[in-house]
Amino acid sequence: DAKTTQPTSMDCAEGRAANLPCNHSTISGNEYVYWYRQIHSQGPQYIIHGLKNNETNEMASLIITEDRKSSTLILPHATLRDTAVYYCIVITGANNLFFGTGTRLTVIP
Amino acid sequence: NAGVTQTPKFQVLKTGQSMTLQCAQDMNHNSMYWYRQDPGMGLRLIYYSASEGTTDKGEVPNGYNVSRLNKREFSLRLESAAPSQTSVYFCASSETSGVQETQYFGPGTRLLVL
Repeated sequence: DAKTTQPTSMDCAEGRAANLPCNHSTISGNEYVYWYRQIHSQGPQYIIHGLKNNETNEMASLIITEDRKSSTLILPHATLRDTAVYYCIVITGANNLFFGTGTRLTVIP
Repeated sequence: NAGVTQTPKFQVLKTGQSMTLQCAQDMNHNSMYWYRQDPGMGLRLIYYSASEGTTDKGEVPNGYNVSRLNKREFSLRLESAAPSQTSVYFCASSETSGVQETQYFGPGTRLLVL
C-alpha cells in the first residue's frame, strides 16, 4: 500500500474553509484515498473516500489531482467541533488501513 | 443501533496477567478488526476477521490472540500482559473487507500494564 505524507499540524479560523493536504506519490491505480478523523481519544470516524474523481458529501469535499499523487480534504465551514486529527489513508483493501500520524487540525474561535 | 461496543472502557493489569477485550457490533457486518494506538501515534492493525470463522494477522499480532465468536463478536486476548502492551485498543467493523468498505470504530479500551 502507498504511504502518505501529511503536515503535522494546521490551524483554521472558525467559519473558514479548512484545506488539509496529503501526498501519496507512490499510489497505484487501484488504490483508494480515504479520510478519517479522530476527535480527542474517540474512535476514528469516516469522512470521505475517492479513487479518481472529486467527491463531496455532507461533511467534506475531496479533491484528487489528475495524476493522483496528492489530494486535499476540504471542510467548507470549519467549526470548533472539527478540531481533530485527520488521517489520509491509501488502501487496496480494508484490512490494509495504514493510519500514519495524521494532521492535527485546530479550529480557532 | 449501538454500532460497535467495547468492554471494558478502562483496565489496569499487572505484568503477566491475562485478560480478554470484548467487541460487538449490531450492524450485521461480516468483517471485524482490532487496532492499537500508542500515544501520539496512528492506529496499527493487530488482527482482523474478514468473515465469521476466519482470522488473520495484521501488522502487530505478537502477544495477542483473537476469537471470532460469531458474526457479532470479536474478542482480543492478552495471555501474558507486558508493559509494552499499554495502549488504547480500538475495535472496528465493516460490511465486507473489500476496497470500498468504510470501517466503523468503537469507543476504545484504555489498557495500562504495570
